[in-house]
Amino acid sequence: DAGVIQSPRHEVTEMGQEVTLRCKPISGHNSLFWYRQTMMRGLELLIYFNNNVPIDDSGMPEDRFSAKMPNASFSTLKIQPSEPRDSAVYFCASSFDGYNGYTFGSGTRLTVV
Amino acid sequence: AQKITQTQPGMFVQEKEAVTLDCTYDTSDQSYGLFWYKQPSSGEMIFLIYQGSYDEQNATEGRYSLNFQKARKSANLVISASQLGDSAMYFCAMREGGSSNTGKLIFGQGTTLQVKP
Repeated sequence: DAGVIQSPRHEVTEMGQEVTLRCKPISGHNSLFWYRQTMMRGLELLIYFNNNVPIDDSGMPEDRFSAKMPNASFSTLKIQPSEPRDSAVYFCASSFDGYNGYTFGSGTRLTVV
Repeated sequence: AQKITQTQPGMFVQEKEAVTLDCTYDTSDQSYGLFWYKQPSSGEMIFLIYQGSYDEQNATEGRYSLNFQKARKSANLVISASQLGDSAMYFCAMREGGSSNTGKLIFGQGTTLQVKP
């Protein structure tokens, strides 16, 4: 089992550019979560999916953020346009039915300059 | 609304001693789950231990145990025989459950643990 796979590991981009973060959940897991971690705000849940359907996107900071899960093995988090305050570590996690065993990916460290 | 509180921003412990990291939670759900994660300086989130709200016994996983006091709404993590490799940030988290059964996991602010040789 390769675990939750996120790409890229690091991303540096200029303000105003579009950024796409990718996640491949563990096979068989039907819940997928996107978190953002900053020193100031800690770990924040941005959005989560169950069976590829977005269930709760109340944590998405603004319309510049969007997330999709076109199939059970792939999800994207897009920021357009990016701003310096979006700089953070973005984690993807997956779980079977949102219960035990939430597994996190290694994270994407995003820097917007 | 659910809430997780970790009141200890930082803790020190001597190697080979035990340490307790505090966590209190607030929920109106009867069914919920409590988790502890470790985040070393490398940044990955490592699952340590889980306690279900209906579990009568405290969860244990090797050197980790969860001191679950339901009436007090506390779920403290106890690490026995601390090792230098235990130095990390530790997060308490809660999964809401009940009728919503949404599975959303929310985190406390974390406690930084440093193990002294």
